[in-house]
Amino acid sequence: AIRMTQSPSSFSASTGDRVTITCRASQGISSYLAWYQQKPGKAPKLLIYAASTLQNGVPSRFSGSGSGTDFTLTISSLQSEDFATYYCQHYYSYPWTFGQGTKVEIK
Amino acid sequence: EVQLVESGGGLVQPGGSLRLSCAASGFTFSTYSMSWVRQAPGKGLEWVANIKQDGSEKYYVDSVKGRFIISRDNAKNSLYLQMNRLRGEDTALYYCARRPLGFSSGWYYYWGQGTQVTVSS
Repeated sequence: AIRMTQSPSSFSASTGDRVTITCRASQGISSYLAWYQQKPGKAPKLLIYAASTLQNGVPSRFSGSGSGTDFTLTISSLQSEDFATYYCQHYYSYPWTFGQGTKVEIK
Repeated sequence: EVQLVESGGGLVQPGGSLRLSCAASGFTFSTYSMSWVRQAPGKGLEWVANIKQDGSEKYYVDSVKGRFIISRDNAKNSLYLQMNRLRGEDTALYYCARRPLGFSSGWYYYWGQGTQVTVSS
């Protein structure tokens, strides 16, 4: 199975900060990658698919990049509603797997 | 409006069985591949299984192969997960999720609210 490793696992940031989360695949997955945001007690929310395509309705401060094995999710200016846990997920080959998550906390 | 409503979770002893259901509405169910994704308490997301539109192809994470069976009834707009020989590590909130159309589309926009499965003696 392809392993997805996110870094960091957690960090603290302030509103207005530019934030970058990385996701590394254990083998190449082309651009078959999605990013989700999850808040406590809620189902995940799709942010980005195909590595860099912003889901309709998601604020433009979110962006994704990368292909092959290295990917990033960037929040250009962190807002209060962005404090949450973020997951990457590959869908290149079965079994699909998620990263372990990155928790973004308030500094 | 797309709705996915899971049911069937509960407390079960190790080695027991449980059948989860997901009632779909607001879209043409038979057109979409469907999935189960789970989340253990305080842990991350884990993809569990996929089923093709007509049920002809099914895929599983290794840890459930031979124990879980994903199925669907397109006439009833329903997705199922038969879980056998349950283990403590199967304890999780189980989500039903819909894939978008397209062969290479593996992301999830629509999720249910989840149904809790607890495996404990």
